[in-house]
Amino acid sequence: DAGVIQSPRHEVTEMGQEVTLRCKPISGHNSLFWYRQTMMRGLELLIYFNNNVPIDDSGMPEDRFSAKMPNASFSTLKIQPSEPRDSAVYFCASSLPFSGADGYTFGSGTRLTVV
Amino acid sequence: GESVGLHLPTLSVQEGDNSIINCAYSNSASDYFIWYKQESGKGPQFIIDIRSNMDKRQGQRVTVLLNKTVKHLSLQIAATQPGDSAVYFCAENRNNQGGKLIFGQGTELSVKP
Repeated sequence: DAGVIQSPRHEVTEMGQEVTLRCKPISGHNSLFWYRQTMMRGLELLIYFNNNVPIDDSGMPEDRFSAKMPNASFSTLKIQPSEPRDSAVYFCASSLPFSGADGYTFGSGTRLTVV
Repeated sequence: GESVGLHLPTLSVQEGDNSIINCAYSNSASDYFIWYKQESGKGPQFIIDIRSNMDKRQGQRVTVLLNKTVKHLSLQIAATQPGDSAVYFCAENRNNQGGKLIFGQGTELSVKP
């Protein structure tokens, strides 16, 4: 089992550019979560999907952020245009619904730096 | 401009000693609580969880205690090893929110050999 796969691992971009982060959940998991981690705010849930449908996007900071899940094996988080304050580590996690915490698996994250 | 980041609470222990990491939570409606370990450059990794109807659960070298009266959660690590050095987060989950986790601030555990 390869776990949750995120790409890229590191991204450095200039302010104003579009950034796309990618996530492949564990096969068979039908819940997918995007989190952002910063020193100031810790780990925050941005959005989550059940069966490819966005359920709660109340954590998405603003309209510059968007997320999609076109199928059960792929999700993207897009920031357009990017700003320096978006610099953070973005984690994707997947789980079976109500499976308990031991079935909730995080990827290794994408470290985004916007200069 | 740059903002000043928060410094995580830090716990420093000697190898072989027991460690206790604490966490306070705010919502009494949470269904279960989880402890995660995060090593540098990695995502959070599940350690142990406890349902809200329990007050203690033991795993391998770890014990989680839940005190609902004061809304307090603790993680005890027995015979701490250098490989335990990491940041530890508590999180809470409410089943009616479909797996949404609310994370605490985190505590950095440093184990001295």
